[in-house]
Amino acid sequence: DTAVSQTPKYLVTQMGNDKSIKCEQNLGHDTMYWYKQDSKKFLKIMFSYNNKELIINETVPNRFSPKSPDKAHLNLHINSLELGDSAVYFCASSQLRGPTSPLHFGNGTRLTVT
Amino acid sequence: QQPVQSPQAVILREGEDAVINCSSSKALYSVHWYRQKHGEAPVFLMILLKGGEQKGHEKISASFNEKKQQSSLYLTASQLSYSGTYFCGTESHQAGTALIFGKGTTLSVSS
Repeated sequence: DTAVSQTPKYLVTQMGNDKSIKCEQNLGHDTMYWYKQDSKKFLKIMFSYNNKELIINETVPNRFSPKSPDKAHLNLHINSLELGDSAVYFCASSQLRGPTSPLHFGNGTRLTVT
Repeated sequence: QQPVQSPQAVILREGEDAVINCSSSKALYSVHWYRQKHGEAPVFLMILLKGGEQKGHEKISASFNEKKQQSSLYLTASQLSYSGTYFCGTESHQAGTALIFGKGTTLSVSS
């Protein structure tokens, strides 16, 4: 059973389009995250949700909007895609909010904007 | 504040040892270590907490020096399977909300 699953695995789209990435975890964890990994492998936190409540919103353009319908799901919607949005987006979850719980990552969504 | 990892890259032969360092300019509450293989997701290795002991399993262990705000990951008698990029993630507060990752250290082990 996949613990943290993301769809789609690959996403190729043109500038200006709107796209969504879905994430689901079956671990029963309370906290979920979106991280962006750029071409230099830098993993940057974007958003964090705890029990459907937004707790972190890093300096991310307003074009990115996360939505958590329940604590097992965290989706990411991106409007008006730009070339610089090309990256691998990782969803992750942890049992607890805070620094003592390991992160479990999904397999990533490779977004390519042309 | 992003932690600083060193070295950026390490090349080893099987059986050799390596140390990867992670340092922060801020006081740390916890340090996490993850390994990411090419094209895959990062995988959790271990957590070190303020006031905690050195952790380890098999030939991979880590230490946490709170006074120096540093952590080190020790890989002994490296195997081919150890190849990948190692990331440290840090959190400065007990009630913190998300890890901040370093830029990673790429480890290549050859036979």
